[in-house]
Amino acid sequence: DTAVSQTPKYLVTQMGNDKSIKCEQNLGHDTMYWYKQDSKKFLKIMFSYNNKELIINETVPNRFSPKSPDKAHLNLHINSLELGDSAVYFCASSRNTDYEQYFGPGTRLTVT
Amino acid sequence: AQSVSQHNHHVILSEAASLELGCNYSYGGTVNLFWYVQYPGQHLQLLLKYFSGDPLVKGIKGFEAEFIKSKFSFNLRKPSVQWSDTAEYFCAAALYDYKLSFGAGTTVTVRA
Repeated sequence: DTAVSQTPKYLVTQMGNDKSIKCEQNLGHDTMYWYKQDSKKFLKIMFSYNNKELIINETVPNRFSPKSPDKAHLNLHINSLELGDSAVYFCASSRNTDYEQYFGPGTRLTVT
Repeated sequence: AQSVSQHNHHVILSEAASLELGCNYSYGGTVNLFWYVQYPGQHLQLLLKYFSGDPLVKGIKGFEAEFIKSKFSFNLRKPSVQWSDTAEYFCAAALYDYKLSFGAGTTVTVRA
């Protein structure tokens, strides 16, 4: 059974487009995250939601907007895509008071 | 702000050799420490974690790590590597605010 799933796995799009990545977890966790992994494999947190409330919002362009319709889902919408947005985006989740994070398979976004 | 540094960018070794990857964190308070592994083309998986208690932590796949508070270190070790251990290894630290800070990662290549 997939614990943290993301769709799509691959996303190729042109500059200026708007796209969304979806994440779902079936672990019953209260906290979900989005990370960006750049071409040098460096992982950096972007956002975190706890019980549908935004609790971490790192320095990310406001073209990126997360949305959590419920505790099990955290979507990432990106407006006006730029070349520099090309990366692998990982979703993760954890229990409210437990810091162990479970990661999804990643979405490889390529902006051309 | 806390940071996590990994000393080795790329490690190349032969099967059956011993592996040690260095990790240091900069925060002086209570931290939770993790090692994650990312096999080629896959998502991050937790190898082991340290929250409290015995500073020598055993994880999956024969890995262990030792927390040395006086040195702010959490080094990962494996006595005898296999070809299947070829992967990217990430050290991470978390404070009370759920924020995982990752090191830059170490690429481990095991030659058969």
